[in-house]
Amino acid sequence: DTEVTQTPKHLVMGMTNKKSLKCEQHMGHRAMYWYKQKAKKPPELMFVYSYEKLSINESVPSRFSPECPNSSLLNLHLHALQPEDSALYLCASTNDRGSSGNTIYFGEGSWLTVV
Amino acid sequence: SQQGEEDPQALSIQEGENATMNCSYKTSINNLQWYRQNSGRGLVHLILIRSNEREKHSGRLRVTLDTSKKSSSLLITASRAADTASYFCATGAGGFKTIFGAGTRLFVKA
Repeated sequence: DTEVTQTPKHLVMGMTNKKSLKCEQHMGHRAMYWYKQKAKKPPELMFVYSYEKLSINESVPSRFSPECPNSSLLNLHLHALQPEDSALYLCASTNDRGSSGNTIYFGEGSWLTVV
Repeated sequence: SQQGEEDPQALSIQEGENATMNCSYKTSINNLQWYRQNSGRGLVHLILIRSNEREKHSGRLRVTLDTSKKSSSLLITASRAADTASYFCATGAGGFKTIFGAGTRLFVKA
């Protein structure tokens, strides 16, 4: 069982909707990540928060807005998405030494469909 | 662009057989990790090998790393139907960026 919890598991939204994906971890990790994964492709890094501050934004369109309210929570706010944004969105966490050389703990993901 | 490229893209074997997956990467690394993903689920860490290691074992898993060839292999021995999943190599040179390879989809027939 994963120690990173993501909600909702499935989300269908229209292109004019505003929705949010939520992620929670209680491992005391100070780095949290959002990845996007399309079918039969590897995960692609979107954002990294370190100590609740945004440290990496991989040139993600502004219709995706991350938020880290505290060290345990990570949100991804979605607005005016396009059908091509449909994908599995994975939240992950690591200790504060980063993802390179450390185990990345992934949540089960949120399946997003944009109609 | 992805750092790691894996082959084969897909592999179908019988239960009890061994499965070997290969990963190649382009730049210098500090370590290489392997992850497993069951269909539509999150990724699970399997094993990490550091750049100064050549081989590492964990249960039925054996990982090798050849830094001169910039390649790694993952061997799963005596495979089981439950090993059916996608397997990704992941490389990093430090910090918060880890690059995942394209992945190998393994199907183990019972």
